[in-house]
Parts: sequence; structure tokens; C-alpha cells
Amino acid sequence: EVQLVESGGGLVQPGGSLRLSCVASGFTFSDPFMDWVRQAPGKGLEWVGRIRTKPHSYITDYAASVKGRFSISRDDSRNSLYLQMDSLKTEDTAVYYCARNWNHALDYWGQGTLVTVSS
Amino acid sequence: EIVLTQSPGTLSLSPGERATLSCRASQSLAGSYLMWYQQKPGQAPRLVIFGDSSRGPGIPDRFSGSGSGTDFTLNIYRLEPEDFAVYYCQQYGGSTGTTFGQGTKVEIK
Repeated sequence: EVQLVESGGGLVQPGGSLRLSCVASGFTFSDPFMDWVRQAPGKGLEWVGRIRTKPHSYITDYAASVKGRFSISRDDSRNSLYLQMDSLKTEDTAVYYCARNWNHALDYWGQGTLVTVSS
Repeated sequence: EIVLTQSPGTLSLSPGERATLSCRASQSLAGSYLMWYQQKPGQAPRLVIFGDSSRGPGIPDRFSGSGSGTDFTLNIYRLEPEDFAVYYCQQYGGSTGTTFGQGTKVEIK
């Protein structure tokens, strides 16, 4: 059974940093690209970014709203995906989901972790 | 950036009826790059349709996707109580990024 479990969310002040983790099980983690998607309270889904696989040089892509502030990485030996968030803004408040990217479709999602940016 | 516009914003239907949801892209998409997701309150999204109108894991055959170019449709035949949710379309833009539509809520009439 495919499982994705996020952690690391919490309350952080504007300008602060936070690192989210996503641990995967039930599939060969090194095979697929992995994405992060967020959802602000009461709003729709917003794509955050993506990391490719080792054969694709672990290349990352980001939404314009987070580029230069957020960084995605992965540790295939630990079946783990990470989202480093710096210079956080109040508008970054959201539930953050990790998702498996299988042939461009996000076919499995974690349960999400809430990040609140507030003073 | 490709913008996806979904319509209607809300669809009020009764169980057993057919739901037709629309997703229009600001630029032509490659056919395999438009997906549909279902989201219920307090839950993560769930993949409904991907690729060449294939269904996601555990999705019943009353869900059907179609379309090409800039116009795509999700049909839900014979709505069941568990189908009432918000549906999002999504396009895969490669290195230029992925975007989602704003969502269509399918509610019980």
C-alpha cells in the first residue's frame, strides 16, 4: 500500500523558516518525480514545486510565488522528500501536501501538514 | 503560465443524476497532460482522471473524462452520495510548472 506521511508543520513568524518532511512507503521511492502542493484555508489547490529523479539530475521546478524562497530535496536512501521554506510570508499559510508524480499525474497524496505563518 | 478556468463554480444535483464539469485552458494542452481530482472536506485530493482519460486508483467507471486542445470535460454518470465533493482540473506544464483550476463544487440539491 502506497503511503505518504508529511510532518514538520507548525506556527512560524513572518520571515522565519520551516522544513517539511514526507516519508514514503509502499513503492520504490527513487522511481517517480515528487511534488508539493498547498492549500490555503478555504481556498483551492496551488502547486508549489517538483523534484525529478536521479536519472534526471534531481532537477527542481517551482511556482513563481515560492521561487527563491523554497527548496525541494529528496533522500532516496531514506524514502524521504523535503521542503525547505525560508523567508516565510503570511500568505504561505496553508496545508502542504506531498504527492507522487506518476507520468504527470499526482496519483497518491499525503494527509497534509498545516503551516501557519503569523506573528 | 497556462490558466485553467472551471465551470460552473457550483453544480447542484440529485443522486442518480449526471454531472458535467468543464475545464478550459488558456492555451492548447497535450492530451495526456490534463488531470482531474476529487477533494472532500478535511481530506487530501484524490486522482480521478489522468492521461488518455484513464481512471485513478479505485475510481469507479461512472467517472469519464474527455476533451482535447483547450476544452476538457469530466462526466459523472449516476451520481452517488460519495461523489459530492469539489473537483479540480490540473495541467502538467513540465518545467514551466503545473496549474490547477479554481474548482467546481458538486453539491446535493
